[in-house]
Amino acid sequence: DVVMTQTPHSLSVTPGQPASISCKSTETLLDRDGTTYLFWYLQKPGQPPQLLISEAFNRFSGVPDRFSGSGSGTDFTLKISRVEAEDSGVYYCMQGVRLPWTFGHGTTVEIK
Amino acid sequence: EVQLVESGGDLVQPGGSLTLSCTASGFTLSDYWMTWVRQTPGKGLEWVANINRDGSARQYLDSVKGRFTISRDNTKNSVFLQLSSLRVEDTAIYYCTRPPGRRFDYWGRGALVTVSS
Repeated sequence: DVVMTQTPHSLSVTPGQPASISCKSTETLLDRDGTTYLFWYLQKPGQPPQLLISEAFNRFSGVPDRFSGSGSGTDFTLKISRVEAEDSGVYYCMQGVRLPWTFGHGTTVEIK
Repeated sequence: EVQLVESGGDLVQPGGSLTLSCTASGFTLSDYWMTWVRQTPGKGLEWVANINRDGSARQYLDSVKGRFTISRDNTKNSVFLQLSSLRVEDTAIYYCTRPPGRRFDYWGRGALVTVSS
C-alpha cells in the first residue's frame, strides 16, 4: 500500500500567521494519465472531512485563496497564507493513484 | 444542493451483520461512482469500497473483501454497504462519499457502527 506521512502531527498558529503541512508518499502520485492524485481535506470537530485541494494544487469550489497546495511526485505541501480562527481542525492528505486509496494520519491545527 | 445521508448504523455483536444505506439527492446518482470511507480513532480515515455507475464493478479494501458488499439502486437514489462477519476492529464511523476524479467532493455525516459483545 502507498503510505502517506504527514508532518508535523500538530501545530499551534497565531491568527494572521502562515502555516505549512508536509505530506510525503512512498510512491509517486503521478499517474500514467498525467494527473497527480493528491488531495487535501480538513475535518472540523463533529463533521465529515471537507475537500480543500485536489490534484495537488487545485482549490475546490468555495475554498478561500489563502489555502494553496504544491508539490509533485512524492513530496507535497499545504500552505495557509494567513491562518484564521475557522481554519482549526485536522488536515489530511490522501492519495488516489493506487488502490487502496490511503490517507495520512492527520495534522491537528490549533489556533492560539 | 448535493446531499448524502447515511443510515443503519447500530451496535452489533462480533460475527454479526448490518446494512448501511446512503440516500443521495441534488445530483443524478447514476452519473457517479460512489465510495464508502470509514474512520476510527486508531487507524484514522480508511477507504473501504468503490462501486461504478451501474454497479457492475466493485473494489474493496483487502481486510473487508469477502465480508462487505457494496451495491446501489440508482432508481432509489441509494447506495448500500452490507457488513457481515463483523469484527471489533470494524467499529467505525462509515461515510458515504462521491469520488469524481478520485476526489471526495461531498460526504455524508456518517453512520456509527459499533461491534462489541
